[in-house]
Amino acid sequence: QQQVKQSPQSLIVQKGGISIINCAYENTAFDYFPWYQQFPGKGPALLIAIRPDVSEKKEGRFTISFNKSAKQFSLHIMDSQPGDSATYFCAARRGWGRASGSRLTFGEGTQLTVNP
Amino acid sequence: KAGVTQTPRYLIKTRGQQVTLSCSPISGHRSVSWYQQTPGQGLQFLFEYFSETQRNKGNFPGRFSGRQFSNSRSEMNVSTLELGDSALYLCASSLAGTGYTDTQYFGPGTRLTVL
Repeated sequence: QQQVKQSPQSLIVQKGGISIINCAYENTAFDYFPWYQQFPGKGPALLIAIRPDVSEKKEGRFTISFNKSAKQFSLHIMDSQPGDSATYFCAARRGWGRASGSRLTFGEGTQLTVNP
Repeated sequence: KAGVTQTPRYLIKTRGQQVTLSCSPISGHRSVSWYQQTPGQGLQFLFEYFSETQRNKGNFPGRFSGRQFSNSRSEMNVSTLELGDSALYLCASSLAGTGYTDTQYFGPGTRLTVL
């Protein structure tokens, strides 16, 4: 059962444009939502993360918007650059600490291509 | 600080064989998680080890097993390989339990091909 749904599957954006990737989750016990970026031949790397008590978090050109009532969150990449071309994964974690562990549930991934 | 290392990076096996993959976490990290990445199923959680104990397990058959050593290094084993086991196997480490935003750091993965 896929608990985190991600869209779109692929996205093509022109340089300087805004890239928007959306995720929806089912399990209300999720309480930590990171986004990972993966380049070919590399493992995923943490990009930015948000807690459900915050509606928006911005780090540089990357912004997460979070809608707890709708159980949705999205990643916005402003001024998209060709170097941002990668696969992006949203994820969710339930609980934290030594009792709950670090297990992440991932979305299906979005292949982003930024054309020069 | 060195990142998460995984060996080997590439592996080719035939159906029915078994395989062992190795992961060395970031120094000081005590939690190691394993994920399987395939084009069809995406990133799926296999299991997590903390202080040599498995504390989380995903929905994979018993052919998939793992262990963690006292130095936090981890291995995962897949027995009786099937064609569908072809995937990128990712290891991730974290400090574990030291904070709400405890980050998982991923290694480059081991690409397993089953013929």
